[in-house]
Amino acid sequence: GAVVSQHPSRVICKSGTSVKIECRSLDFQATTMFWYRQFPKQSLMLMATSNEGSKATYEQGVEKDKFLINHASLTLSTLTVTSAHPEDSSFYICSALDRGSYNSPLHFGNGTRLTVT
Amino acid sequence: AQKITQTQPGMFVQEKEAVTLDCTYDTSDQSYGLFWYKQPSSGEMIFLIYQGSYDEQNATEGRYSLNFQKARKSANLVISASQLGDSAMYFCAMREGLTGSQGNLIFGKGTKLSVKP
Repeated sequence: GAVVSQHPSRVICKSGTSVKIECRSLDFQATTMFWYRQFPKQSLMLMATSNEGSKATYEQGVEKDKFLINHASLTLSTLTVTSAHPEDSSFYICSALDRGSYNSPLHFGNGTRLTVT
Repeated sequence: AQKITQTQPGMFVQEKEAVTLDCTYDTSDQSYGLFWYKQPSSGEMIFLIYQGSYDEQNATEGRYSLNFQKARKSANLVISASQLGDSAMYFCAMREGLTGSQGNLIFGKGTKLSVKP
């Protein structure tokens, strides 16, 4: 089955620093990747849609300058949380869509738990 | 209005019994897909089952089946012979339209299932 690898799984950083999260599709090419944020005991909230070779599309209310997304290849997308603050602490999870498979499920990474102190 | 509604925040089921998790959806599209995911406490999102809007048969995958009632716009997940390992959050999700809005899934708020020994 399709595998998406997300690193790191946990990160603790100090306020004001930046954190990069990587999302890789290991055995398929992902033209589109999605970044979600999940608060405790809540659902997944889409942050942005990332297409290979083009700028990401951000959802309303998501600061594009704070959450930088780069989709440099068909197998790699990165999310950088810039100048992190404690309110950015959350669970971030990426997912990838297999090219040409409209009715296929999104394949998710295992998520990254970010804690900003 | 919410696109995906899961009215059961929490459910309990006795081990080896069947349980139904409710999901209703709202869309004006003729083409759409419905998905169920399981999220254990570790955080990963595990795809369980898919139902397309044009599928005439209810989807089944092992112990999982989807009770699809198109006129009622409901897509309930049925788990048969519950196991302790089924304890997790369960999310219903939908992808709309032919192009699927680039493939994004809209998630419900989830149902926390607890299986009792």
